[in-house]
Amino acid sequence: DTEVTQTPKHLVMGMTNKKSLKCEQHMGHRAMYWYKQKAKKPPELMFVYSYEKLSINESVPSRFSPECPNSSLLNLHLHALQPEDSALYLCASSQDGGGTNEKLFFGSGTQLSVL
Amino acid sequence: GQSLEQPSEVTAVEGAIVQINCTYQTSGFYGLSWYQQHDGGAPTFLSYNALDGLEETGRFSSFLSRSDSYGYLLLQELQMKDSASYFCAPNSGGYQKVTFGTGTKLQVIP
Repeated sequence: DTEVTQTPKHLVMGMTNKKSLKCEQHMGHRAMYWYKQKAKKPPELMFVYSYEKLSINESVPSRFSPECPNSSLLNLHLHALQPEDSALYLCASSQDGGGTNEKLFFGSGTQLSVL
Repeated sequence: GQSLEQPSEVTAVEGAIVQINCTYQTSGFYGLSWYQQHDGGAPTFLSYNALDGLEETGRFSSFLSRSDSYGYLLLQELQMKDSASYFCAPNSGGYQKVTFGTGTKLQVIP
């Protein structure tokens, strides 16, 4: 299984809503990532978890809250988002084997619209 | 800080060869990856260079010069399905920090 599965594929939410994005992989990878991608722009790194611990937070606003319940799962909790947060949210994983984690496997993403 | 530069658009003819360049400035550089992304799709890994030189994977090759902070992706025998965006992505600041370049939109024409 070389898949990273993200749910939901599409999400529409209001600015007062709370929602969560989910990501799952069963490749035994120990690093997991959240990226945000606006149309016609490159993916922007948001968070990295390594061995279930948050290792990188790219100064992301606190209305985005990541969680890694175990090595296979990654969540992104959303609260009080702004319309400018509308984007494709991509999850990725990598082996994290001290030099072998350079290959990221991406999920198909969640297209988020904030109204 | 960090900077990454790629040409924004490239057009090439089916069957031809095209080179997509990437220059980078980043601290703690470990290696350079390349990813392909079709419209509406997710990025997929193409190639990785940790050392100087050329890496070949089928029709795709990637080159790295660490002293010049420069790399390129070479696509041979272009096919229509190669029309996509291509991103260089340095690993920097530790293995997990993979950031993406501005991207090059490749259009393959008949």
